[in-house]
Amino acid sequence: EIVLTQSPGTLSLSPGERATLFCRASQSVSSNYLAWYQQKPGQAPRLLIYGASSRATGTPDRFSGSGSGTDFTLTISRLEPEDFAVYYCQQYGSSMLTFGGGTKVEIK
Amino acid sequence: EVQLLESGGGLVQPGGSLRLSCAVSGFTFSSYAMTWARQAPGKGLEWVSVISSSGVSTYYADSVKGRFTISRDNSKNTLYLQMNSLRAEDTAVYYCAKLGSSWINSYFDYWGQGTLVTVSS
Repeated sequence: EIVLTQSPGTLSLSPGERATLFCRASQSVSSNYLAWYQQKPGQAPRLLIYGASSRATGTPDRFSGSGSGTDFTLTISRLEPEDFAVYYCQQYGSSMLTFGGGTKVEIK
Repeated sequence: EVQLLESGGGLVQPGGSLRLSCAVSGFTFSSYAMTWARQAPGKGLEWVSVISSSGVSTYYADSVKGRFTISRDNSKNTLYLQMNSLRAEDTAVYYCAKLGSSWINSYFDYWGQGTLVTVSS
């Protein structure tokens, strides 16, 4: 099973600032099959990024994903009020799909 | 519009069973793999199980292997999760989700709103 470790656990930032979230895999993620999801309180998760760097339909271009192998990054270039939420990475390169523990982006 | 609607959650005693359903619309169900994920109260997401579009291939998280069974009825556009020998640690909101392809190695592009399963005496 591929273990995904997200850091930091919590990110305290102000609107307009840049957010950088990390996801490290315990082994290489096949074909960079790495996705990022956003979840707000009381809501289901929403797909933001797939294939490490491709934006899903409807994802604003201030969200970008990068990385390969074992190290991946989600960057939000300028935080909008609606971006304060929890973000999860997920790998789908193996038959045992796994999520990271999440990063909460909160208002400073 | 893609829609996924889970049902079947509720309160069950430890050791009991429950069957969750996920009725879908807005896409060709038989062409896509489907999955279940869960979220314990105040915790992160945990993948539970996945099934290929045909239903031939299924995979499970170690935490539920041997107790849960995923299945689908492509004629009814419905996904199922049979949960047996339930434990307190199975308490969670259970989400069904659509994958982006027919095979299991894909991202989860649409999610239902979830159904709460509570295992308690």
